[in-house]
Amino acid sequence: SQQGEEDPQALSIQEGENATMNCSYKTSINNLQWYRQNSGRGLVHLILIRSNEREKHSGRLRVTLDTSKKSSSLLITASRAADTASYFCAVPHPMDTGRRALTFGSGTRLQVQP
Amino acid sequence: EAGVAQSPRYKIIEKRQSVAFWCNPISGHATLYWYQQILGQGPKLLIQFQNNGVVDDSQLPKDRFSAERLKGVDSTLKIQPAKLEDSAVYLCASSSTSGSSYNEQFFGPGTRLTVL
Repeated sequence: SQQGEEDPQALSIQEGENATMNCSYKTSINNLQWYRQNSGRGLVHLILIRSNEREKHSGRLRVTLDTSKKSSSLLITASRAADTASYFCAVPHPMDTGRRALTFGSGTRLQVQP
Repeated sequence: EAGVAQSPRYKIIEKRQSVAFWCNPISGHATLYWYQQILGQGPKLLIQFQNNGVVDDSQLPKDRFSAERLKGVDSTLKIQPAKLEDSAVYLCASSSTSGSSYNEQFFGPGTRLTVL
């Protein structure tokens, strides 16, 4: 099974509400990344948090990392219809000593209703 | 800056046929990845190149899949012969090796393969 697993699998909210997605992983990591994928498109990098960081912000995004629980969360505040997409967490591939290849979870499909 | 280019965008083939995908990474990016994304799942790494050398191909089904990056720039991924379960989106990504080792990956739009 993949190392990163998101929860919930699907989330539907109204525009203006906050959306929270969670990610759990299995092994020790040096960083965790979040990506967004619009329908029929490639993935876009959103934010990277290092293992020595607990929280990071980027615009309307807030990411937390708890290495003791091997979990991360992505919060999107004041959501917009354009935020409708699938969101994936990604952690370094266990086999990759170069610390670059990533293992992705199954994603959370976010639907923001206008 | 031009992004990662992939072609074709869509491909439909019969099982047991062969197919090839092409990827042109961002200029100057030494690391190139091929991922397979089955519908409803996250991308799964197939192979990682560093320049023209293979870093990791542990999850590449080598009996039918092959990939090359001969000049350390463009890359091709081939499936021969294709099976029904190969239906997926094949994503190419690249990243820079300069600076921090925690490099974000830049993805192409993908090639959607349907095997009938």
